[in-house]
Amino acid sequence: AQSVTQLGSHVSVSEGALVLLRCNYSSSVPPYLFWYVQYPNQGLQLLLKYTSAATLVKGINGFEAEFKKSETSFHLTKPSAHMSDAAEYFCAVRGGTSYGKLTFGQGTILTVHP
Amino acid sequence: NAGVTQTPKFQVLKTGQSMTLQCAQDMNHEYMSWYRQDPGMGLRLIHYSVGAGITDQGEVPNGYNVSRSTTEDFPLRLLSAAPSQTSVYFCASSYSSGRGTDTQYFGPGTRLTVL
Repeated sequence: AQSVTQLGSHVSVSEGALVLLRCNYSSSVPPYLFWYVQYPNQGLQLLLKYTSAATLVKGINGFEAEFKKSETSFHLTKPSAHMSDAAEYFCAVRGGTSYGKLTFGQGTILTVHP
Repeated sequence: NAGVTQTPKFQVLKTGQSMTLQCAQDMNHEYMSWYRQDPGMGLRLIHYSVGAGITDQGEVPNGYNVSRSTTEDFPLRLLSAAPSQTSVYFCASSYSSGRGTDTQYFGPGTRLTVL
């Protein structure tokens, strides 16, 4: 079984500041991990995914995430926040070859202040 | 490609009514899934399919039925709507790349209110 915990339902940063969104996972099999972003009244868009090829994963819009097996974490970061980054972010896990079956975290709403 | 399409975008039902949420994809993806999104709970898997004719239950299947007669379509049926089914519903599709990785592509969602 898999589960995801996102620490902090709301995160607020100033424009230009570091963005750090936390995600911890639990999986009984090697995990595949994903970060999705959702803008208001829209569907989900993939930011990046971990597939065991590299522990540091770079995604779109300047985001990256590092897979740390010892900490069961997959935190999302961006060095400098932009106003357009304001959205809700979801971490998700898929266990092994369970294609089509994602387990999502509760989501983190990112607010960016000018 | 249109990607993943969902209809309708909005729907209001009365308790006890039935309806079908439509989902279609034109990417020839083998895997399709239905999720519901509720505030503070993220997305939860309702049903999924690994190919035409094959479906299985997810985390919250009660009150919903699915079928997959073609690769392209994966409708979600509410047999007798309840207020607890008020939610935003997302359909997604994906394919396996052979390295254990896939990416789910999401539709725009259907916002359902049950009175």
